[in-house]
Amino acid sequence: TQLLEQSPQFLSIQEGENLTVYCNSSSVFSSLQWYRQEPGEGPVLLVTVVTGGEVKKLKRLTFQFGDARKDSSLHITAAQPGDTGLYLCAGGSSYIPTFGRGTSLIVHP
Amino acid sequence: DADVTQTPRNRITKTGKRIMLECSQTKGHDRMYWYRQDPGLGLRLIYYSFDVKDINKGEISDGYSVSRQAQAKFSLSLESAIPNQTALYFCATQGPYSTDTQYFGPGTRLTVL
Repeated sequence: TQLLEQSPQFLSIQEGENLTVYCNSSSVFSSLQWYRQEPGEGPVLLVTVVTGGEVKKLKRLTFQFGDARKDSSLHITAAQPGDTGLYLCAGGSSYIPTFGRGTSLIVHP
Repeated sequence: DADVTQTPRNRITKTGKRIMLECSQTKGHDRMYWYRQDPGLGLRLIYYSFDVKDINKGEISDGYSVSRQAQAKFSLSLESAIPNQTALYFCATQGPYSTDTQYFGPGTRLTVL
């Protein structure tokens, strides 16, 4: 079984602060996805990274896939209350996706 | 209209009752999944189906069963509900590759008393 470890599990910050969430595994993944889930809703895809070392930017969010394709990070610059939610990473292999346990982020105004 | 719908959205039931959760999708995807979500445990896979004739157990299938009635419909049943099955349940669809986006339904909040 491929496992994905996310850290930190919880994060509570003030508006305007920067933060980084990590997703690590001992296994190699063909791709890594990040989802955001808001209360009362299902997860929604933010980004997919497929190439080792790849960096993708989505407004204030920067996603990086490790060179060895075993880890990924999500960096948020100048966090806003609208960024509040549960962030989940999911690793894709040749079979079925594997999800991390998630990072619950609260951004206080 | 939503691409993935789940019914019911909320359900309270008693121990020992049989419960069916339904999922429908308009994405035209062959791959469908059932997950359960508990606080701090992320999404855990219960069952998945890669087409109408293909059903597979996930990591936590005990106490659950599924039926793939059509490409668009995938139902999850709890034959005899127990309190530790209280959780948020999500259905998801996906294109043909494990790297494709998963599209999730809005979830069903199930409480077993």
